[in-house]
Amino acid sequence: GAGVSQSPSNKVTEKGKDVELRCDPISGHTALYWYRQRLGQGLEFLIYFQGNSAPDKSGLPSDRFSAERTGESVSTLTIQRTQQEDSAVYLCASSSGLAGTLDFGAGTRLSVL
Amino acid sequence: AQSVTQPDIHITVSEGASLELRCNYSYGATPYLFWYVQSPGQGLQLLLKYFSGDTLVQGIKGFEAEFKRSQSSFNLRKPSVHWSDAAEYFCAVYAGNNRKLIWGLGTSLAVNP
Repeated sequence: GAGVSQSPSNKVTEKGKDVELRCDPISGHTALYWYRQRLGQGLEFLIYFQGNSAPDKSGLPSDRFSAERTGESVSTLTIQRTQQEDSAVYLCASSSGLAGTLDFGAGTRLSVL
Repeated sequence: AQSVTQPDIHITVSEGASLELRCNYSYGATPYLFWYVQSPGQGLQLLLKYFSGDTLVQGIKGFEAEFKRSQSSFNLRKPSVHWSDAAEYFCAVYAGNNRKLIWGLGTSLAVNP
């Protein structure tokens, strides 16, 4: 079946512009995570959605970052007024709920010039 | 505090040689432990996981890992490495209280022909 799909795969933007990243999780997966991965570094947790519960936004680095998810479907991560330090790969993962078992998308590589 | 340490940032092995990647964790309760692999340009894929029971767990692609509670370790092994195993390997522990994975910084594996 289809895996986690992220779009776009690459995004180049100018400093100060807003960007929107999209994630299509695996159908039926109730949990959805966003991570940031800077070059040569590990995964940095950003936000977690679980069903209709309030999302865990504790990892969002600033109020320029926001994310939405409607029900158990598509999620969008929005970065406003992008800065060069926002350049990274943004990974989305979904889970059916089995602890720690995540299915990852291929990521969106964001470059802020 | 919960944490995961992967002491080796980069490892190079020859094709056909054995491999061991180290992972140490700090977690107060019985851990759920994971190894994920990230091939170039791709998202992360689950290699194997430990929840309970037999401390030696088998995963995909011929990998195995052994949970040693006394050493707080969960080292990944493979008896004979293939060139296609070149990738970034991440160890993680599941923090059940907040449903998050705590990630190590990763070990980059290079395979010489």
